[in-house]
Amino acid sequence: NAGVTQTPKFQVLKTGQSMTLQCAQDMNHNSMYWYRQDPGMGLRLIYYSASEGTTDKGEVPNGYNVSRLNKREFSLRLESAAPSQTSVYFCASSETWGGAYEQYFGPGTRLTVT
Amino acid sequence: ILNVEQSPQSLHVQEGDSTNFTCSFPSSNFYALHWYRWETAKSPEALFVMTLNGDEKKKGRISATLNTKEGYSYLYIKGSQPEDSATYLCAFRAGTYKYIFGTGTRLKVLA
Repeated sequence: NAGVTQTPKFQVLKTGQSMTLQCAQDMNHNSMYWYRQDPGMGLRLIYYSASEGTTDKGEVPNGYNVSRLNKREFSLRLESAAPSQTSVYFCASSETWGGAYEQYFGPGTRLTVT
Repeated sequence: ILNVEQSPQSLHVQEGDSTNFTCSFPSSNFYALHWYRWETAKSPEALFVMTLNGDEKKKGRISATLNTKEGYSYLYIKGSQPEDSATYLCAFRAGTYKYIFGTGTRLKVLA
C-alpha cells in the first residue's frame, strides 16, 4: 500500500497562475483533508471531505477550491495564486470524519508563489 | 477562539535522558486528542488518539496521558534515543469535529 500520495512534490508559480494539487489514498478511507503548514503556525485545515460527494470549508478556505473526484482522490485548486499561498500543503485521510480515527498524511507539496 | 498550546517549543536532551512535553487545549467541547510524530522531510505519523479523561497510551518507550477536565496531555519519552529526534504535534478535536493543531515541540536527542 502506498498510503497517501501527493503530486507534485515541489512547484513554483507566478502570481495569478493556477494549478491543481493532486492527492490519492489507497486505504479505502471515507474522509480526506487538505492542510497548509506555515512557519510558526500549526497545520491549518483548508477544506475537508467527510465522505465521497461532500466537501466543506475548513479554517482557511479563501483562494482555494476542492474536488472529491471519487473515494480515492481529493484535489486542491488554486485559481489565481498569490504570494500568501506560499506554503507546504499536506493531504490526509482517515477512516471516517465523525470518529476518533487517526489521520494519515501524504508527503506534502512545497509551493512557492513569486 | 480555540487554541492549542504546546510547550516547550524545542528542547535538546542527551541520549538516555527521559523527557516530557505538554499539550494544552480547551477543556470544553472535547472530543479527542491526537499525538503525531513528525520527522524532518517526512509527513506526520500518528502516535496516539485519546478520547477519555484519564486515558494512558503507550507505544514502546513513548507514552501519553490525558486530562480533559483541566485541558492538558503529556507525552513522555523514556530513555531518549537519537532516532526520537522529531517534532511532536498534538491536535485537539472539538465536538464539532474541528481539528486544531499545536505548533509542535521540536526534540533533538544528542548522542
